[in-house]
Amino acid sequence: QSALTQPASVSGSPGQSITISCTGTSGDIGGYDYVSWYQQHPGKAPKLIVCDVSNRPSGVSNRFSGSKSGNTASLTISDLQAEDEADYYCSSWTGGSTRVVFGGGTKLTVL
Amino acid sequence: EVQLVESGGGLVQPGGSLKLSCVASGFTFGNSWMSWVRQTPGKGLEWVADINPDGSGKYYLDSVKGRFIISRDNAQNSLYLQMHSLRVDDTAVYYCARDYIYLQFDYWGQGTPVTVSS
Repeated sequence: QSALTQPASVSGSPGQSITISCTGTSGDIGGYDYVSWYQQHPGKAPKLIVCDVSNRPSGVSNRFSGSKSGNTASLTISDLQAEDEADYYCSSWTGGSTRVVFGGGTKLTVL
Repeated sequence: EVQLVESGGGLVQPGGSLKLSCVASGFTFGNSWMSWVRQTPGKGLEWVADINPDGSGKYYLDSVKGRFIISRDNAQNSLYLQMHSLRVDDTAVYYCARDYIYLQFDYWGQGTPVTVSS
C-alpha cells in the first residue's frame, strides 16, 4: 500500500481536461511544497512533468499543471491528446526517515 | 544530452549479493545529489537510497538499512548500489535518478531489473 493515495484509473476523450488527485497527510503533502508528478509510458522510465507543486520543467507542455490544497495535490491535463495515455505518479518530500513517498499511480486512458 | 546508464542487474538467490552501477553524462555529476529508486508492479515506485554530492551523506529506506550501500565516484561520474542479503521482496527494476531538489527526480536512467528468486 502506497503512502500517497491516487485513483487507480481515469479516462477522458481527446480535447477534454482531466484531473488526478493525490492525497497524503500533514507530514508530507500538507507540510511541504515539494510535490512532484511523473509520467511513465510502458517500458520507459518515469519523466518529471511537475515539480515544487506547480512548476513545469523546461520542455514540458503547458497542458500539464499542478496544484495543492491542504493534504491533497492535483495534476490537471488539459486538451487531452493520445500521447498523454500513460501512468502518472505523484510524490512528496516527507522530511522523515522515508524521505520521499510516492503514490500508487494512476493509469490515464484517452478514449 | 543527459544520460544515466544503469547496469549490474540480474537473477540472484535469496541471501545473495549484487552491485548496481550507473554512469552519468551530460550534467555536472559531482554537484548533484543522486538516488536509487525501485519499481515493482505491486508496490509501485519506492525510493531506496540517496547520496550527497561529495558522498559524505547517505540516506536509506528503513527496509534496506544495513543491507544496501550507496556510493559514488565523481571522477568516474558513477553511482553504485551494493546490495547484500537480498530478499524476494527486493525484486524490482532499479533506477538511478538525479535529485533536482528535495528528492524530486529530473533525470532517470532506463532501469536495470533485479530478480531475487531461488
